[in-house]
Amino acid sequence: GAGVSQSPRYKVAKRGQDVALRCDPISGHVSLFWYQQALGQGPEFLTYFQNEAQLDKSGLPSDRFFAERPEGSVSTLKIQRTQQEDSAVYLCASSLGEVHSPLHFGNGTRLTVT
Amino acid sequence: AQSVTQPDIHITVSEGASLELRCNYSYGATPYLFWYVQSPGQGLQLLLKYFSGDTLVQGIKGFEAEFKRSQSSFNLRKPSVHWSDAAEYFCAVAPNNNDMRFGAGTRLTVKP
Repeated sequence: GAGVSQSPRYKVAKRGQDVALRCDPISGHVSLFWYQQALGQGPEFLTYFQNEAQLDKSGLPSDRFFAERPEGSVSTLKIQRTQQEDSAVYLCASSLGEVHSPLHFGNGTRLTVT
Repeated sequence: AQSVTQPDIHITVSEGASLELRCNYSYGATPYLFWYVQSPGQGLQLLLKYFSGDTLVQGIKGFEAEFKRSQSSFNLRKPSVHWSDAAEYFCAVAPNNNDMRFGAGTRLTVKP
């Protein structure tokens, strides 16, 4: 019965470091989404998985961003060579995958790049 | 291209007063519309959604929203605001979940 779990809650990285953000979706949810939320903005779509297949990665801002979901459950968003503009809250959401299934969001990971 | 506009960045209302948060969308086909609420440090929680049918939809926590095609609007309302309603509210439009686009949000402050 747990919701979407994201870790860590907070991450501070020096510019140039690599970071990995984890998302544990609700059990049985086939769809998983990553969003980036800059301060004072709404969430911006990054990428979407249906089970282990990454069906849409059009929102990833650069090739430094990479997401995976190898077994169709836990997902990891990796950012290589972090830049200050990567500072944001990264939200993960999951759903049953049926059309118009509601998204269930995690509490997010706040990334600060110094 | 689909987009969502929330004209009000910040709204302050007194506890017990009525509330209306505006949302306008731009989409070429029948839109699917959502309102989410985000408390500080929390993820987004779905308040309500409109797919088709009755243009007045009821949500959780006493919220409702009305879809008006002629005005391309989906405004959120509550008759009497509680202090616990203070949060950030996001309107979103999507033909399906992986294309969900969010507005920039409206921050609600509730005065005692």
